[in-house]
Amino acid sequence: DQQVKQNSPSLSVQEGRISILNCDYTNSMFDYFLWYKKYPAEGPTFLISISSIKDKNEDGRFTVFLNKSAKHLSLHIVPSQPGDSAVYFCAASDYSGGGADGLTFGKGTHLIIQP
Amino acid sequence: KAGVTQTPRYLIKTRGQQVTLSCSPISGHRSVSWYQQTPGQGLQFLFEYFSETQRNKGNFPGRFSGRQFSNSRSEMNVSTLELGDSALYLCASSLGQGEGSNEKLFFGSGTQLSVL
Repeated sequence: DQQVKQNSPSLSVQEGRISILNCDYTNSMFDYFLWYKKYPAEGPTFLISISSIKDKNEDGRFTVFLNKSAKHLSLHIVPSQPGDSAVYFCAASDYSGGGADGLTFGKGTHLIIQP
Repeated sequence: KAGVTQTPRYLIKTRGQQVTLSCSPISGHRSVSWYQQTPGQGLQFLFEYFSETQRNKGNFPGRFSGRQFSNSRSEMNVSTLELGDSALYLCASSLGQGEGSNEKLFFGSGTQLSVL
């Protein structure tokens, strides 16, 4: 049973436009959400996170939106740049609920930025 | 500051063998987590160690085990290897301030294990 779902295996966006990556979750105990970016042959690198008490967090070109009622979050990248081409993983945790199951990751979305 | 270091980068083993993977966390980080990445399943949590004790464990069989040393370095062992164990094994470290802290994980580049 997949608790974190990224339904788009890949996404192609033109350079300079907005990239929107989506993530859905089923476990209502999740209270912290993260996005990681991964290049081939490298480990994932942290991008941005959001606590469940917020609905938006912004860091430069990256903004994460959280809709708790819909159990949905999205990552917006504006403007998209060629270096953004990578696999993006959505992850969730329920640490504050006493859960200790590590991060639960989605299967990733491969973002391709077209010149 | 050096990042998370995993050795070796690549491993080829045959079914039935066992393997040990090594991870050196970022200096000062006391928590080490292990994840398995496969094309079909994405990243799946194996276990987490903090102060030489396994604090959390994912849904993997007992063939997967690990340990952490007093210097926070960690090893992961897989016994009686199966073809399905072929994967990228990622180690991540964090400060490990305790459960309930929302900490960022810093990942190593992984060990690519191929089981033939």
